[in-house]
Amino acid sequence: AQRVTQPEKLLSVFKGAPVELKCNYSYSGSPELFWYVQYSRQRLQLLLRHISRESIKGFTADLNKGETSFHLKKPFAQEEDSAMYYCALSRPMDTGRRALTFGSGTRLQVQP
Amino acid sequence: DGGITQSPKYLFRKEGQNVTLSCEQNLNHDAMYWYRQDPGQGLRLIYYSQIVNDFQKGDIAEGYSVSREKKESFPLTVTSAQKNPTAFYLCASSILSGAPDTQYFGPGTRLTVL
Repeated sequence: AQRVTQPEKLLSVFKGAPVELKCNYSYSGSPELFWYVQYSRQRLQLLLRHISRESIKGFTADLNKGETSFHLKKPFAQEEDSAMYYCALSRPMDTGRRALTFGSGTRLQVQP
Repeated sequence: DGGITQSPKYLFRKEGQNVTLSCEQNLNHDAMYWYRQDPGQGLRLIYYSQIVNDFQKGDIAEGYSVSREKKESFPLTVTSAQKNPTAFYLCASSILSGAPDTQYFGPGTRLTVL
């Protein structure tokens, strides 16, 4: 079965420190992975997706099929990065259509 | 923000009552989704719909029902059969072509059963 694991419920770092939010997945096919973010009092929104190989707000995430991981990284954390981060996996449903499976989320706290 | 609206923001229900949560989008998206968010469990898919008049059960559909009579609207009914309905409910939408898995979320409805 498809599964997304985010082992840390809370990650607290100081401003300027590197950040790595962990995400591991379980999926037998070719995975499509995403990071979503929810800032305080804002809606859940897409941060980045692995197929784009993009850097958004200084964040990057590399798909490692060998380790089945899609960790989110940023070299220097900013206070405005404080938010809830969700890793998500696109998976086929019985109908042949696709849906997202979300991890349980990691709250990132960046302290001044 | 904008594009997807959910109402009401807060909803209180007595046990045994059905209640309907509204979700409307003006993004011209074909696909719409309902998720339930509980503390420490992330988002779980309740129902989804890829086109009008068609919808499919997600992972936790028991005790819920939906309809998709219009492209813009995907209301969710929480029935009295749902054993633990108190939760935060999120609606989302996406286009089917291009980047179908880029989902746009509404602000959510917090349902509390009294």
